Amino acid sequence: EVQLLESGGTLVQPGGSLRLSCAASGFTFSTYAMSWVRQAPGEGLEWVSSISGTGGSTYYADSVKGRFTISRDNSKNTLYLQMNSLRAEDTAVYYCAKEYVGGVWFDYWGQGTLFTVSS
Amino acid sequence: DIQMTQSPSSVSASVGDRVTITCRASHDISSWLAWYQQKPGRAPKLLISRASILESGVPSRFSGSGSGTDFTLTINSLQPEDFATYYCQQPNSFPITFGQGTRLEIK
Repeated sequence: EVQLLESGGTLVQPGGSLRLSCAASGFTFSTYAMSWVRQAPGEGLEWVSSISGTGGSTYYADSVKGRFTISRDNSKNTLYLQMNSLRAEDTAVYYCAKEYVGGVWFDYWGQGTLFTVSS
Repeated sequence: DIQMTQSPSSVSASVGDRVTITCRASHDISSWLAWYQQKPGRAPKLLISRASILESGVPSRFSGSGSGTDFTLTINSLQPEDFATYYCQQPNSFPITFGQGTRLEIK
C-alpha cells in the first residue's frame, strides 16, 4: 500500500526557514517523480515544485522560485522541501504527491502538513 | 503559463441528479487533463487522468471527456458521498496548474 507521510509543519516567523519531509513507502520511490502541492486556508490547490526520480531535474512555481528547494534522498525514501525567506502567503497545508508514470498528475497524496507564517 | 478555468464555481444538486463541470485551458493541452475530488480536511483524490481514463476504484458514474481546450466532468446519479470540491489540472507543461475548483453542494 502506498503511503506518504509529511512532517515539519509548525509556526514560523516571516523571513524564517523550515524544512518539510515526506516519508514514502509501498512503492519503489526512486522510480517516480514527486511533487509538493499546497493549499492555503479556504483556497484551491497550487502546485509548488516537482523533482524527477533521480533528483536530477527540478521545477518550481514562480511564487517560490529562489526561496524553496526540493530534494530527495532515495536511500531513505524521503522527499524534502526546504523553505527560506518565508512569507505570510506561504501559509498553507502542504501535500506531497506521487506523480504518475508518464504524466505529471498525482495518483497518491499524503495527508498534508500545515504550517503558518506569522509573527 | 496555462490557465485553467472551471465553471461553475459552485453548484447545488440533489441526490440522483446529473451534474456537469467544465474546465477550459488557455492553450491546447490535447488530452492532458486530470480531475480530482477533495472532501473537507482531506487530501485530493485522483478521479480521471488523460481527460477520460477512470482511475481504478472510481465509480462508473464519473466520466470525463474533451480534448484541446475544453473538458467536462460528468457525475451521473449523484450519491451523498459525491458532494465535495472538484479540481481540474493540466499536466501538459510546467508550471502545473489547477482550476480554481467547483464546489458541489447538496440542494
